[in-house]
Amino acid sequence: DAKTTQPPSMDCAEGRAANLPCNHSTISGNEYVYWYRQIHSQGPQYIIHGLKNNETNEMASLIITEDRKSSTLILPHATLRDTAVYYCIVRVEWSGKLIFGQGTTLQVKP
Amino acid sequence: NAGVTQTPKFQVLKTGQSMTLQCAQDMNHEYMSWYRQDPGMGLRLIHYSVGAGITDQGEVPNGYNVSRSTTEDFPLRLLSAAPSQTSVYFCASSWTGGDYGYTFGSGTRLTVV
Repeated sequence: DAKTTQPPSMDCAEGRAANLPCNHSTISGNEYVYWYRQIHSQGPQYIIHGLKNNETNEMASLIITEDRKSSTLILPHATLRDTAVYYCIVRVEWSGKLIFGQGTTLQVKP
Repeated sequence: NAGVTQTPKFQVLKTGQSMTLQCAQDMNHEYMSWYRQDPGMGLRLIHYSVGAGITDQGEVPNGYNVSRSTTEDFPLRLLSAAPSQTSVYFCASSWTGGDYGYTFGSGTRLTVV
């Protein structure tokens, strides 16, 4: 499975967009990019995933570069409740394995 | 739909004791996994399963056994508990294929003294 690199921490002002980057330069053609977040000690929460195209749902948008070597998770209007650890994960299609890295700790400030 | 249910929520064991952490899902998911999370650390994959009767090792399988006799249940057995196994354990499940996210349980907090 391809490895991912994320900054260890980021700050964001409440109400502003939070842009969380992820590098996955060794990604293969059949690998999806997933984003999860973990608030305090709760179970991780699925946010969004994509293969090639940009994706948007009610929680966030996922922008994947054309060469698929990096992606950005966008929380359009961050709130204090979005303070969490965000994990970018690359997962091989049809593989049951989901390997977490260290993630980015996002602190949303008033 | 209860989602992914883990029991117990809290457990204290003595060194050398054995126990089974239970995980059940009611979404008919084929994929199931067990993770552990030590304080201040990320999640590490212990074992996973892609269907009933099929299991495989993850990153940190030593000291743990799993079996998957039904689609719904994926128990994790600690054979002889050690203080190093003090952690929070999460179970997760997913549909097959890459186009689905995993749903996680709320965790079991295990302390081994």
